[in-house]
Order: sequence, then C-alpha cells, then structure tokens
Amino acid sequence: DAKTTQPPSMDCAEGRAANLPCNHSTISGNEYVYWYRQIHSQGPQYIIHGLKNNETNEMASLIITEDRKSSTLILPHATLRDTAVYYCIVRVSGGSNYKLTFGKGTLLTVNP
Amino acid sequence: DAGVIQSPRHEVTEMGQEVTLRCKPISGHDYLFWYRQTMMRGLELLIYFNNNVPIDDSGMPEDRFSAKMPNASFSTLKIQPSEPRDSAVYFCASSQGATNEKLFFGSGTQLSVL
Repeated sequence: DAKTTQPPSMDCAEGRAANLPCNHSTISGNEYVYWYRQIHSQGPQYIIHGLKNNETNEMASLIITEDRKSSTLILPHATLRDTAVYYCIVRVSGGSNYKLTFGKGTLLTVNP
Repeated sequence: DAGVIQSPRHEVTEMGQEVTLRCKPISGHDYLFWYRQTMMRGLELLIYFNNNVPIDDSGMPEDRFSAKMPNASFSTLKIQPSEPRDSAVYFCASSQGATNEKLFFGSGTQLSVL
C-alpha cells in the first residue's frame, strides 16, 4: 500500500470548515483513499473513501486532486465533538488484502 | 445493531497471568480483525479472520499470543503468559468484506499488566 503523509496537528474554530490534507504521491491506479477518525478513548470510526472522484456523505467531503497524489478531507462545520485523530489510508479495494494500516494521523483540535 | 462488542472494557493483571479478551462482531460481517494500540507503535494489526478462518497472523508479536474464532459471532485473543510490555488498548473490528470496505471498531479493551 502507498505511504501517506499528514500534518501531525491542526486547529480549527468551532463552526468553521476543517480542511485536513493528505499526501499520497506514490498512489497507484487501483488504490483508494480512506479516512478514519479516532475520538479519544474510542475505536476508530470510518468517515469516507474514494478512488478519483470527489465524494460526500453526511459526515464529510473528500476532495482528490486530478493526479491523485493528494487529497483533502473537509468537515464543513466543525464542532467540538470533531476533535479527534484523523487517519488517511491508501489501499487497494477488494482482492485478498484486507489489511488496513494506520499511520500517525492528524490530531484535529476544534476550539470554541 | 449494537455494533462490535468487546469485553472486558478494562483488565488489570499481574505479569505471568493468562489474559483473554473477547469480541462479538456485527451480525452478518464475515471479516474480523484484532488491533493493538500503544503510544509508541500506534495502531497495529495483529490478525484477521475471514469466515472464522485465520487469514493473516503475521502481526501477532510472539507465541504468547493466540486468537481463535470458534463461530461467526465470537472471537478471543489470549495472552499467556502476559508481560508488562503487552499493556495496550486492544481493538476488535469487523467488516462485510468485499462488498463493504468499512471497518467497524469496538470500544476496545484497556489492558494493564503489572
């Protein structure tokens, strides 16, 4: 699986959009970008994933650049409950490899 | 659905004792994963099962660790004998496999080995 690079920490004001970047310059054509988050003392939670088109769900939006070498997770109106570590993961979808390898992620702190 | 259920929530034991962690996956999910999380190493995949069969146990640290899945609704992770360096949060997760890429995690078991 391709390696990802994320900033170790970010701050965001409550009510504002949180934009979390992720670099994955070695991503291959059949690798998806996944985002999970982990709120303190809880298990990781799936947020969203995509291949090359932008994706949106009830939690967030995922913007993937045209060359697919980077992506941005957008929380449109961050709340205090969005304070968590956000993990960007790149892996092949389907097939026989179901390993999901977590890096260090980005600690997002939403401030009142 | 109640989600992935893990027990116990916290476990404190002494070095040398046997520890058994338990997991009930979401009904209908055919993949089950055991992860361990520490400050130093982050989240590490220990082992995963498909249809109750262990597929990849390359992350299991040593022979003191063993995992079983006797049926589709129950799995255990056993450490015997336990050591202080095994202290960590152990997470169980399940997914529906090829048609659903989302992993659903339990709340974890905080293990402290004194």
